[in-house]
Amino acid sequence: QLVLTQSPSASASLGASVKLTCTLSSGHISYAIAWHQQQPGKGPRYLMKVNTDDSHNKGDGIPDRFSGSSSGAERYLTISSLQSEDEADYYCQTWDTGYVVFGGGTKLSVL
Amino acid sequence: QLQLQESGPGLVQPSATLSLTCTVSGGSITSSTYYWGWFRQPPGKGLEWIGNIHYTANTYYNPSLRSRVTISVDTSKNQFSLKLSSVTAADTAVFYCARTPTSSYVDYWGRGTLVTVSS
Repeated sequence: QLVLTQSPSASASLGASVKLTCTLSSGHISYAIAWHQQQPGKGPRYLMKVNTDDSHNKGDGIPDRFSGSSSGAERYLTISSLQSEDEADYYCQTWDTGYVVFGGGTKLSVL
Repeated sequence: QLQLQESGPGLVQPSATLSLTCTVSGGSITSSTYYWGWFRQPPGKGLEWIGNIHYTANTYYNPSLRSRVTISVDTSKNQFSLKLSSVTAADTAVFYCARTPTSSYVDYWGRGTLVTVSS
């Protein structure tokens, strides 16, 4: 079964960097994923798609501070130079033919 | 700039059918590359995929909702719609429409609309 696993929470200091992880289920480690940001009280915003070769295509206006990478079954979202507005929920998403699934989301706190 | 806007009643009676429409502007719904999808998010919870549709009317549904969901498309109005039948309080959520390249990831989201199921 295609499943994405995310840690429920993460925290980092203003100006620092943080790396969020999304883990693909066994048998699906070659799948690409997408990252979405949801700021408090707002709808989701597409950040980027992360392929297994670390290539990614970002959404409109996504700053260079946001980057994606991949290793085995894990897909990462790294945010550098953390700003207060980066405090949000971050969801990873993947898909198979006719099926779409989300991770449970990681709530990022910027200290 | 592509924009998607959900519309429909904000309050639905239990056991009734929830109906929403998504209007697409800044792009054509008949682009062969894209599917158009519905998603929902119950208060305080995560995102859930409901289903996708291509302008040719090919559809995919979440197996957990398939028996209650119908998604349709109206190319003349650049719109697609969602119907969810036999709703209960558990269906209360913010509903989002979105664009998905080849029925994969979402690259554009609508702003969302809250639908409450209550008598």
